[in-house]
Amino acid sequence: GENVEQHPSTLSVQEGDSAVIKCTYSDSASNYFPWYKQELGKGPQLIIDIRSNVGEKKDQRIAVTLNKTAKHFSLHITETQPEDSAVYFCAAPAASGYALNFGKGTSLLVTP
Amino acid sequence: GAVVSQHPSWVICKSGTSVKIECRSLDFQATTMFWYRQFPKQSLMLMATSNEGSKATYEQGVEKDKFLINHASLTLSTLTVTSAHPEDSSFYICSAHPGAGNTIYFGEGSWLTVV
Repeated sequence: GENVEQHPSTLSVQEGDSAVIKCTYSDSASNYFPWYKQELGKGPQLIIDIRSNVGEKKDQRIAVTLNKTAKHFSLHITETQPEDSAVYFCAAPAASGYALNFGKGTSLLVTP
Repeated sequence: GAVVSQHPSWVICKSGTSVKIECRSLDFQATTMFWYRQFPKQSLMLMATSNEGSKATYEQGVEKDKFLINHASLTLSTLTVTSAHPEDSSFYICSAHPGAGNTIYFGEGSWLTVV
């Protein structure tokens, strides 16, 4: 199945700064890349996703960029706020069907 | 957005007993549902994929006789942990695919503690 590597594992930024999390994938045929936010004790929540026919997608303070040649995609959060503190996971399609394989997660801490 | 509900949100059971976790898609029909397990401070690990009306497909290393999955309708899948042991204590999360597009919707998870 798809091997997804995610970096960094932890990230601490000051409120108002930007945060960038990067993931790489192994299967060049993968065509869908979602990002999930998981707060403590809760299930993952989809925050943004991108399909392989575009290179960038934005939704207010959140953006995702995709480099198919290099097989990596990144999450960008601008003007970070303390409520952005959570664990963020990238994902890519597993070998079969619509299942997802997840990266190991990035624990983001936004300090006031 | 689409809502996936899990029940119970947390459960404590004794070693050797079985426990059932339900996953429901509340406002859409889910042709496929997925079960994940997450240990503290770790990522989500796919356990199995279930399609309505057919047997689940288990990932390598997941015991199908221990983790029984039933997907009897387009809105309900259940995971039964049989003969639970303390090492089965974990956060179990289901997700559902509505049958079109790529988006997968996740439930809020169920905490299982086996004592």
